[in-house]
Amino acid sequence: QVQLVESGGGVVQPGGSLSLSCAASGFTFNAYDMHWVRQAPGKGLEWVAYLRFDGSNKDYADSVKGRFTVSRDNSKNTLYLQMNSLRVEDTAVYYCAKEGLVPFDSWGQGTLVTVSS
Amino acid sequence: NFMLTQPHSVSESPGMTVTISCTRSSGSIANNYVHWYQQRPGSSPTTVIYEDNQRPSGVPDRFSGSIDSSSNSASLTISGLKTEDEADYYCQSYNSTNAWVFGGGTKLTVL
Repeated sequence: QVQLVESGGGVVQPGGSLSLSCAASGFTFNAYDMHWVRQAPGKGLEWVAYLRFDGSNKDYADSVKGRFTVSRDNSKNTLYLQMNSLRVEDTAVYYCAKEGLVPFDSWGQGTLVTVSS
Repeated sequence: NFMLTQPHSVSESPGMTVTISCTRSSGSIANNYVHWYQQRPGSSPTTVIYEDNQRPSGVPDRFSGSIDSSSNSASLTISGLKTEDEADYYCQSYNSTNAWVFGGGTKLTVL
């Protein structure tokens, strides 16, 4: 079955950087578009980034554009999110999600990013 | 740019029916599919309705979806409420400008 496992979360100071990973298994990773979605504590879901299956097209939410970069390594079945110039408001659980019937067909368990001084 | 607006919370008794609305601020609700996700406390979201009114396999037929162009809104209806339906529900749609947009979420309490 589909499994998505995020890692790399932690505590970082404002202005700092963090890199998240999402290890995928149970499906043909290189055939599926992928997303990152975040959820601030006690808040709703916010789409963050999109990456086409072959890496040829990316898109970002305005709130992270120019600071975050999504990438993938299809040989390692892994999705990445490089987060730079982090702000307090970036504090959230970050989920990776696979497209399918719906844009967010399968989700990982999430990894918590806390931006605090 | 558009937003999807949901009620912050709804509550109903077991066995009853509840409807959660999702109103699109601009552009036609019919232009892009609406999907609905359920998020139980401490868990990741799962899909309960896709493409306006389709149920994934494994989702009970107590869950149904619809759109209404006159009110520019989508609705998720859950009938025969069970305590296990208590969760947050999010609508989601897309357009080429905003990309993927979620509603603010509705907390369903079954009491």
